Amino acid sequence: SQTIHQWPATLVQPVGSPLSLECTVEGTSNPNLYWYRQAAGRGLQLLFYSVGIGQISSEVPQNLSASRPQDRQFILSSKKLLLSDSGFYLCASGQGTNQPQHFGDGTRLSIL
Amino acid sequence: AQKITQTQPGMFVQEKEAVTLDCTYDTSDPSYGLFWYKQPSSGEMIFLIYQGSYDQQNATEGRYSLNFQKARKSANLVISASQLGDSAMYFCAMREVTNAGKSTFGDGTTLTVKP
Repeated sequence: SQTIHQWPATLVQPVGSPLSLECTVEGTSNPNLYWYRQAAGRGLQLLFYSVGIGQISSEVPQNLSASRPQDRQFILSSKKLLLSDSGFYLCASGQGTNQPQHFGDGTRLSIL
Repeated sequence: AQKITQTQPGMFVQEKEAVTLDCTYDTSDPSYGLFWYKQPSSGEMIFLIYQGSYDQQNATEGRYSLNFQKARKSANLVISASQLGDSAMYFCAMREVTNAGKSTFGDGTTLTVKP
């Protein structure tokens, strides 16, 4: 079965600092990969998704970017963090509309 | 318009009783999948149950069942014999064939099981 590794679990960063969150997938090849953000007590907002190496689609305009340098690696980045970037970030993989998505354990990002 | 609507921000249920969490969805795609996930306070997303748009029978997984009413576009989750460990946030989600397999999530329902 698939396993999603996501780190770090918790991150506290000052406003204006850069960001790099990494996600790697085990147990499958050529997955669709997704980055979600979740505000406290709310649902998941899709930020980026990727159907293959180097292929990134952005769902909402924002201060963040994503990259997929390898088949099972997905990276979320920012050059300068804003206060509004705070939240819980989840990486997920999934293929097909009849399969559930597999999620990492998430990164709780606090911007000070 | 929201694609997934969960109208119950919070629900309470007595231990050992059954509870229904509501979910309605909106799509024009004939082929789609509906999913329920559980998110405990620790944050991980746990897949519970799946219902395909062409499935004739309601899905069941242990204590979880999905009350699928296609004409009404509803996919309610029923949890039987609630346990204290069921206290968590529950999300309904949909994946559409025409939407590159992306999931659309509702805003969730926080379930609290009382002893």
